[in-house]
Amino acid sequence: GAVVSQHPSWVICKSGTSVKIECRSLDFQATTMFWYRQFPKKSLMLMATSNEGSKATYEQGVEKDKFLINHASLTLSTLTVTSAHPEDSSFYICSAPRGTSGTDTQYFGPGTRLTVL
Amino acid sequence: GESVGLHLPTLSVQEGDNSIINCAYSNSASDYFIWYKQESGKGPQFIIDIRSNMDKRQGQRVTVLLNKTVKHLSLQIAATQPGDSAVYFCAENIGGYSTLTFGKGTMLLVSP
Repeated sequence: GAVVSQHPSWVICKSGTSVKIECRSLDFQATTMFWYRQFPKKSLMLMATSNEGSKATYEQGVEKDKFLINHASLTLSTLTVTSAHPEDSSFYICSAPRGTSGTDTQYFGPGTRLTVL
Repeated sequence: GESVGLHLPTLSVQEGDNSIINCAYSNSASDYFIWYKQESGKGPQFIIDIRSNMDKRQGQRVTVLLNKTVKHLSLQIAATQPGDSAVYFCAENIGGYSTLTFGKGTMLLVSP
């Protein structure tokens, strides 16, 4: 089946540093990928839609200069948390739909646990 | 705001019982629904999906029921096992776009 990977699986950084998270579709191409964040015991909240070849689309309330997204290829999207602060600590998850229609199954990555000290 | 919600935040069952997890949605334009299972510290795992032109779909030990009249979705797990313990999310897709809206989640606890 389709597989989506994320790297790193966890990261601890100091406040003020930037952290890059990679999302890869391993056996299919994805022109669109999605980035979510999830707080403990909460649901997934969509942050942004990553589009290959064009700018990302951010959800309301998500700072685009804070969370930089680059869809470098048809199998890779990166999320960079710039100048991270403790309130950015969260579980970040990416997903990618396999196929070309909007109702294709979305496959999720294993998530990246970010802890900002 | 969220258009998909769950009635029960936690469901505790005994091994071997059947489990039913419920979900309500508010947008009648939603035409695709998915159930995901998320184990602690992992990403969501696809379980089963259903399109709005259906009212029931069965998988291996799981059944999803869709009642469009009352905008209600349920996930039934037969012969629940300890390995089924996880948080279950329903998600909806509106208008044929890939963007999903997730419900709040229900934690299923299965006791041996």
